[in-house]
Amino acid sequence: QKEVEQNSGPLSVPEGAIASLNCTYSDRGSQSFFWYRQYSGKSPELIMFIYSNGDKEDGRFTAQLNKASQYVSLLIRDSQPSDSATYLCAVAGGYNKLIFGAGTRLAVHP
Amino acid sequence: DGGITQSPKYLFRKEGQNVTLSCEQNLNHDAMYWYRQDPGQGLRLIYYSQIVNDFQKGDIAEGYSVSREKKESFPLTVTSAQKNPTAFYLCASNPTSGTDTQYFGPGTRLTVL
Repeated sequence: QKEVEQNSGPLSVPEGAIASLNCTYSDRGSQSFFWYRQYSGKSPELIMFIYSNGDKEDGRFTAQLNKASQYVSLLIRDSQPSDSATYLCAVAGGYNKLIFGAGTRLAVHP
Repeated sequence: DGGITQSPKYLFRKEGQNVTLSCEQNLNHDAMYWYRQDPGQGLRLIYYSQIVNDFQKGDIAEGYSVSREKKESFPLTVTSAQKNPTAFYLCASNPTSGTDTQYFGPGTRLTVL
């Protein structure tokens, strides 16, 4: 059974700080990794995807992938109260399927 | 506007009733998916379809049925055999051409009375 693990949180950070969200996965053969943001009562929206080891930056967001350690993370710089949401990590599971973690709830306080 | 639509936004069902949730996309995506989300939990795959007239069971297909008669449409029926159907239901699609990225509709919240 392929698994994706995330700390459920809540992760509480002050406004302006860096939020670090972590995810581990069990399938060593996974090639594609995704971060989705989900506001309460809403559907998930894609923030970033990453395929290669290392860092990928998009604005205030940086995704980091370490396939040897089976670890993917999302950094949010200059965190804002509007970043308060649940962040879902997803890993490609073959046949165009994604396996989702349970999500980490982030709370950014002024 | 291109996107994925789901209807209704809220649905109430009496025990013993079948209900059908609608999912439509105009993105010309080949693959479509149905997920269930319970409070504080991640997304669990119910059914998915990679091509018209073909679909496969996901991890929690029991008590659900689907059809894929058109590329744009992938309706989900929650049958009376589903014992605990109260949940948030999400439909997603994926172009399949070189990417695993999935895009989600706004969701349907189903409550059993």
